[in-house]
Amino acid sequence: DAVLTQSPLSLSVTLGQPASISCRSSQSLLYSNGNIHLSWFHQRPGQSPRRLIYEVSKRNSGVPDRFSGSGSGTDFTLKISKVEAEDVGIYYCMQGTFWPNTFGGGTRLEIK
Amino acid sequence: EVQLVESGGGLVQPGGSLRLSCAVSGFNFSNYWMSWVRQTPEKRLEWVANINKDGSDTFYVDSVTGRFTISRDNAKNSLYLQMKAVSAEDTAIYYCVRPVSAYWGRGVLVTVSS
Repeated sequence: DAVLTQSPLSLSVTLGQPASISCRSSQSLLYSNGNIHLSWFHQRPGQSPRRLIYEVSKRNSGVPDRFSGSGSGTDFTLKISKVEAEDVGIYYCMQGTFWPNTFGGGTRLEIK
Repeated sequence: EVQLVESGGGLVQPGGSLRLSCAVSGFNFSNYWMSWVRQTPEKRLEWVANINKDGSDTFYVDSVTGRFTISRDNAKNSLYLQMKAVSAEDTAIYYCVRPVSAYWGRGVLVTVSS
């Protein structure tokens, strides 16, 4: 299975400041069709996970442009340009290139 | 509006069985692969099973293979997860998921305990 390792485990950020989360895969996530099926999810307390980013850098409909994804091969990053209060919660990366799909362990973001 | 509503969760004894259901609305169910994903009390997410559009092909994570069965009834717009021989490690919130566009239900809690 493709193991996804996220860092840091937790993040404390001042409102308006940037945040960055890393996701490293145990193997390249490049699919045979040239796509990389790496997504980012955000889960607020008491809610279901919500996808923010898919295929490394494409934002889901309705996702603010302060969220951006980048990376290739085995190393990926989610960036929040200016953290807002509603951004608290847990962030997960997920790969869909290989079965079974797998998730990173999560990064908890809190407001400082 | 796309809606996925899970039901059937609850408390089950180790070694027991449970059947989860997911009622779907707001899209043409038979046109989409569907999945079950679970989240443990420690907040770890695990993709449990996939099923193709007509139910003829299924995929399972190793930890549930041989014990869980994913199925669907396109006429009833419903997805199912039959769980057998459950153990404490199966305690989780189970989400019904449409992978395309990543629609998730609100989840249903399954607790395995004596």
